Amino acid sequence: AQKITQTQPGMFVQEKEAVTLDCTYDTSDPSYGLFWYKQPSSGEMIFLIYQGSYDQQNATEGRYSLNFQKARKSANLVISASQLGDSAMYFCAMREGIGKQAGTALIFGKGTTLSVSS
Amino acid sequence: DSGVTQTPKHLITATGQRVTLRCSPRSGDLSVYWYQQSLDQGLQFLIHYYNGEERAKGNILERFSAQQFPDLHSELNLSSLELGDSALYFCASSGGQINTEAFFGQGTRLTVV
Repeated sequence: AQKITQTQPGMFVQEKEAVTLDCTYDTSDPSYGLFWYKQPSSGEMIFLIYQGSYDQQNATEGRYSLNFQKARKSANLVISASQLGDSAMYFCAMREGIGKQAGTALIFGKGTTLSVSS
Repeated sequence: DSGVTQTPKHLITATGQRVTLRCSPRSGDLSVYWYQQSLDQGLQFLIHYYNGEERAKGNILERFSAQQFPDLHSELNLSSLELGDSALYFCASSGGQINTEAFFGQGTRLTVV
């Protein structure tokens, strides 16, 4: 079964608008973390934001915020005031076993391509 | 700059050959993860090393192997290369007990011809 599901293959938004990229996850581990990464056409993976399963507040980093709904197992990324430079592929990922020494690998969704137009 | 360094950035090689990809993690990070990104398979976890020891294996082929050295840099060895091995190979590092971070290198784009 897929552990990370991103149902939107592509999203289109105009500059200065807000956009929400969907992500649902599946885990039975109570200690997990959710990550969002941006991959522009140049290929690098840029870390955007992190949310821990025990965090009470939704994570925010500048124009990025994570809408974390634990009961629904969703961790949507909200980008406010979109810019042309936001055009990229966005990946949602999960790490189980947060807090364990050595850590565990990230499990990725298939990604959503965001296109921002002027 | 993530602080994770991967070399080389690009690699073109022929089928049947062997290549080595190198990764230097962020200063102080003990964990190194290798991932493969291809168009058909997406981002797949290959292998995880922690402080020199193998911790977990993902979808890593037997023709592939890795190691982490005492200075914590890691190498991914790919042998008997096939056309289907063409992909972007990423290394990521994380550290500390909380492991809330995972920073990626710029990747090595491997093309097998």
